[in-house]
Amino acid sequence: EAGVAQSPRYKIIEKRQSVAFWCNPISGHATLYWYQQILGQGPKLLIQFQNNGVVDDSQLPKDRFSAERLKGVDSTLKIQPAKLEDSAVYLCASSLRGDRAYGYTFGSGTRLTVV
Amino acid sequence: AQSVTQLGSHVSVSEGALVLLRCNYSSSVPPYLFWYVQYPNQGLQLLLKYTSAATLVKGINGFEAEFKKSETSFHLTKPSAHMSDAAEYFCAVSDRGGYQKVTFGTGTKLQVIP
Repeated sequence: EAGVAQSPRYKIIEKRQSVAFWCNPISGHATLYWYQQILGQGPKLLIQFQNNGVVDDSQLPKDRFSAERLKGVDSTLKIQPAKLEDSAVYLCASSLRGDRAYGYTFGSGTRLTVV
Repeated sequence: AQSVTQLGSHVSVSEGALVLLRCNYSSSVPPYLFWYVQYPNQGLQLLLKYTSAATLVKGINGFEAEFKKSETSFHLTKPSAHMSDAAEYFCAVSDRGGYQKVTFGTGTKLQVIP
Protein backbone atom coordinates (compact mmCIF):
# COMPACT_ATOMS: atom_id res chain seq x y z
CA GLU A 1 0.00 0.00 0.00
CA ALA A 2 1.11 3.55 -0.58
CA GLY A 3 2.52 5.31 2.47
CA VAL A 4 1.71 8.66 4.00
CA ALA A 5 2.64 11.39 1.52
CA GLN A 6 3.86 14.80 2.64
CA SER A 7 4.96 17.88 0.75
CA PRO A 8 7.10 19.82 0.48
CA ARG A 9 10.11 17.93 1.86
CA TYR A 10 11.98 21.11 2.71
CA LYS A 11 10.98 24.73 3.19
CA ILE A 12 12.97 27.81 4.14
CA ILE A 13 11.10 30.99 5.01
CA GLU A 14 11.77 34.23 6.81
CA LYS A 15 10.20 34.93 10.17
CA ARG A 16 6.75 36.47 10.02
CA GLN A 17 6.05 34.78 6.69
CA SER A 18 3.38 32.11 6.32
CA VAL A 19 3.81 28.50 5.24
CA ALA A 20 1.59 25.50 4.59
CA PHE A 21 2.25 21.78 4.65
CA TRP A 22 0.21 19.10 3.00
CA CYS A 23 -0.45 15.50 4.00
CA ASN A 24 -2.20 12.65 2.24
CA PRO A 25 -2.74 9.70 4.59
CA ILE A 26 -3.00 6.04 3.74
CA SER A 27 -6.27 5.28 1.99
CA GLY A 28 -8.94 4.29 4.46
CA HIS A 29 -7.14 5.60 7.53
CA ALA A 30 -9.68 7.57 9.52
CA THR A 31 -7.28 9.12 12.00
CA LEU A 32 -4.63 11.68 11.05
CA TYR A 33 -2.00 13.30 13.26
CA TRP A 34 0.38 16.21 12.91
CA TYR A 35 3.54 16.08 15.02
CA GLN A 36 6.27 18.68 15.49
CA GLN A 37 9.80 17.33 15.96
CA ILE A 38 12.35 19.91 17.06
CA LEU A 39 15.99 18.91 16.61
CA GLY A 40 17.13 16.74 19.50
CA GLN A 41 13.62 16.12 20.80
CA GLY A 42 10.93 13.54 20.36
CA PRO A 43 7.87 14.27 18.25
CA LYS A 44 5.16 16.32 19.94
CA LEU A 45 1.53 15.96 18.94
CA LEU A 46 0.05 19.15 17.55
CA ILE A 47 -3.36 17.96 16.42
CA GLN A 48 -5.32 14.76 15.90
CA PHE A 49 -8.23 14.36 13.48
CA GLN A 50 -10.80 11.61 13.44
CA ASN A 51 -12.23 11.78 9.92
CA ASN A 52 -12.68 15.54 9.52
CA GLY A 53 -13.27 16.31 13.19
CA VAL A 54 -10.64 17.42 15.72
CA VAL A 55 -10.04 14.97 18.59
CA ASP A 56 -7.12 16.71 20.29
CA ASP A 57 -5.53 20.08 19.58
CA SER A 58 -4.47 20.92 23.12
CA GLN A 59 -0.83 21.51 22.15
CA LEU A 60 -1.48 23.44 18.95
CA PRO A 61 -0.42 27.12 19.26
CA LYS A 62 -3.71 28.38 17.92
CA ASP A 63 -2.61 32.00 17.66
CA ARG A 64 -0.37 31.05 14.74
CA PHE A 65 -1.03 27.45 13.77
CA SER A 66 -4.12 26.12 12.06
CA ALA A 67 -5.01 22.79 10.48
CA GLU A 68 -7.87 21.39 8.52
CA ARG A 69 -8.88 18.07 7.08
CA LEU A 70 -11.53 18.63 4.49
CA LYS A 71 -13.62 15.61 3.47
CA GLY A 72 -11.75 13.47 6.00
CA VAL A 73 -8.83 12.69 3.68
CA ASP A 74 -6.02 15.18 2.96
CA SER A 75 -4.90 17.64 5.58
CA THR A 76 -3.13 20.98 5.59
CA LEU A 77 -1.16 22.51 8.46
CA LYS A 78 -0.51 26.25 8.29
CA ILE A 79 1.73 28.56 10.26
CA GLN A 80 1.09 32.30 10.12
CA PRO A 81 3.20 34.18 11.05
CA ALA A 82 6.21 31.91 11.53
CA LYS A 83 8.71 32.38 14.35
CA LEU A 84 12.30 31.22 14.60
CA GLU A 85 11.31 28.58 17.16
CA ASP A 86 8.99 26.96 14.62
CA SER A 87 12.04 25.52 12.86
CA ALA A 88 11.41 21.77 13.07
CA VAL A 89 10.35 18.72 11.13
CA TYR A 90 6.59 18.44 10.78
CA LEU A 91 5.46 14.85 10.63
CA CYS A 92 2.11 13.59 9.50
CA ALA A 93 0.89 10.17 10.55
CA SER A 94 -2.25 8.14 10.06
CA SER A 95 -3.83 5.09 11.63
CA LEU A 96 -6.63 2.80 10.65
CA ARG A 97 -8.90 3.01 13.62
CA GLY A 98 -7.44 5.78 15.75
CA ASP A 99 -6.50 3.16 18.28
CA ARG A 100 -2.82 3.71 18.90
CA ALA A 101 -2.52 0.05 19.83
CA TYR A 102 -2.23 -0.54 16.12
CA GLY A 103 0.60 1.95 15.76
CA TYR A 104 0.87 4.85 13.41
CA THR A 105 2.29 5.11 9.89
CA PHE A 106 4.42 8.21 9.50
CA GLY A 107 5.28 10.24 6.44
CA SER A 108 8.84 11.41 5.75
CA GLY A 109 8.10 14.84 7.11
CA THR A 110 8.62 18.44 6.05
CA ARG A 111 11.73 20.14 7.36
CA LEU A 112 11.00 23.81 8.04
CA THR A 113 13.74 26.33 8.59
CA VAL A 114 12.74 29.82 9.69
CA VAL A 115 15.46 32.45 9.27
CA ALA B 1 0.16 12.83 31.93
CA GLN B 2 2.01 9.81 30.68
CA SER B 3 5.71 10.18 29.97
CA VAL B 4 8.75 8.09 29.13
CA THR B 5 12.40 8.60 29.96
CA GLN B 6 15.08 7.31 27.66
CA LEU B 7 18.44 6.94 29.36
CA GLY B 8 21.30 7.97 27.10
CA SER B 9 20.83 10.24 24.13
CA HIS B 10 23.68 8.46 22.33
CA VAL B 11 24.68 4.79 22.48
CA SER B 12 27.61 3.22 20.63
CA VAL B 13 28.06 -0.50 20.12
CA SER B 14 30.38 -2.61 18.02
CA GLU B 15 28.98 -4.57 15.12
CA GLY B 16 27.86 -7.95 16.45
CA ALA B 17 27.51 -6.73 20.04
CA LEU B 18 24.37 -6.61 22.13
CA VAL B 19 22.14 -3.58 21.69
CA LEU B 20 20.37 -2.31 24.81
CA LEU B 21 18.34 0.89 24.72
CA ARG B 22 16.64 1.89 27.95
CA CYS B 23 13.16 3.25 28.49
CA ASN B 24 11.23 3.84 31.69
CA TYR B 25 7.64 4.97 31.85
CA SER B 26 5.65 6.84 34.46
CA SER B 27 2.30 5.28 35.19
CA SER B 28 0.63 3.39 37.99
CA VAL B 29 -1.46 1.48 35.45
CA PRO B 30 0.26 -0.50 32.69
CA PRO B 31 -0.02 1.63 29.57
CA TYR B 32 0.53 0.86 25.93
CA LEU B 33 4.23 1.09 25.07
CA PHE B 34 5.97 1.40 21.73
CA TRP B 35 9.38 1.56 20.15
CA TYR B 36 9.84 3.47 16.91
CA VAL B 37 12.94 3.81 14.72
CA GLN B 38 13.82 6.84 12.62
CA TYR B 39 16.42 6.70 9.87
CA PRO B 40 17.95 9.97 8.65
CA ASN B 41 15.52 12.20 6.77
CA GLN B 42 12.70 9.72 7.19
CA GLY B 43 9.58 9.40 9.27
CA LEU B 44 9.21 7.05 12.22
CA GLN B 45 8.64 3.34 11.74
CA LEU B 46 7.00 1.13 14.35
CA LEU B 47 9.41 -1.53 15.65
CA LEU B 48 7.17 -3.17 18.23
CA LYS B 49 4.42 -2.51 20.72
CA TYR B 50 3.21 -3.76 24.08
CA THR B 51 -0.56 -3.82 24.44
CA SER B 52 -1.39 -7.05 26.22
CA ALA B 53 -0.31 -9.58 28.81
CA ALA B 54 2.64 -10.91 26.79
CA THR B 55 5.55 -9.19 28.50
CA LEU B 56 8.19 -10.15 25.95
CA VAL B 57 7.42 -8.49 22.65
CA LYS B 58 9.18 -9.33 19.41
CA GLY B 59 9.41 -6.79 16.66
CA ILE B 60 10.91 -6.30 13.25
CA ASN B 61 14.60 -6.50 12.35
CA GLY B 62 15.39 -8.85 15.24
CA PHE B 63 14.51 -6.39 18.00
CA GLU B 64 12.57 -7.29 21.12
CA ALA B 65 11.50 -5.55 24.31
CA GLU B 66 10.44 -6.78 27.71
CA PHE B 67 7.75 -5.09 29.78
CA LYS B 68 8.69 -5.13 33.47
CA LYS B 69 5.96 -3.69 35.65
CA SER B 70 8.04 -3.87 38.83
CA GLU B 71 10.72 -1.71 37.22
CA THR B 72 8.35 0.39 35.06
CA SER B 73 10.68 -0.38 32.18
CA PHE B 74 10.41 -1.35 28.54
CA HIS B 75 14.00 -1.73 27.34
CA LEU B 76 14.77 -2.53 23.71
CA THR B 77 17.34 -5.21 22.88
CA LYS B 78 18.91 -6.95 19.94
CA PRO B 79 21.44 -9.76 20.41
CA SER B 80 23.77 -8.74 17.59
CA ALA B 81 24.03 -5.24 16.15
CA HIS B 82 24.21 -4.71 12.42
CA MET B 83 25.49 -1.62 10.64
CA SER B 84 22.00 -1.03 9.27
CA ASP B 85 20.69 -0.61 12.83
CA ALA B 86 22.32 2.81 13.10
CA ALA B 87 19.39 5.18 13.57
CA GLU B 88 17.48 7.06 16.24
CA TYR B 89 15.12 5.09 18.44
CA PHE B 90 12.12 6.51 20.25
CA CYS B 91 10.19 4.98 23.11
CA ALA B 92 6.55 6.06 23.33
CA VAL B 93 3.66 5.62 25.75
CA SER B 94 -0.10 5.96 25.72
CA ASP B 95 -2.88 5.44 28.21
CA ARG B 96 -5.32 2.65 27.51
CA GLY B 97 -8.88 3.43 26.67
CA GLY B 98 -10.32 5.88 24.22
CA TYR B 99 -8.32 8.00 21.83
CA GLN B 100 -5.46 8.77 24.17
CA LYS B 101 -2.49 10.43 22.54
CA VAL B 102 0.91 8.83 22.15
CA THR B 103 3.76 10.66 23.92
CA PHE B 104 7.30 10.15 22.67
CA GLY B 105 10.58 10.14 24.55
CA THR B 106 13.53 12.29 23.54
CA GLY B 107 15.17 9.54 21.54
CA THR B 108 18.43 7.56 21.61
CA LYS B 109 20.80 7.75 18.69
CA LEU B 110 22.45 4.38 18.07
CA GLN B 111 25.87 4.28 16.47
CA VAL B 112 27.24 0.95 15.25
CA ILE B 113 31.01 0.74 15.01
CA PRO B 114 32.45 -1.66 12.44
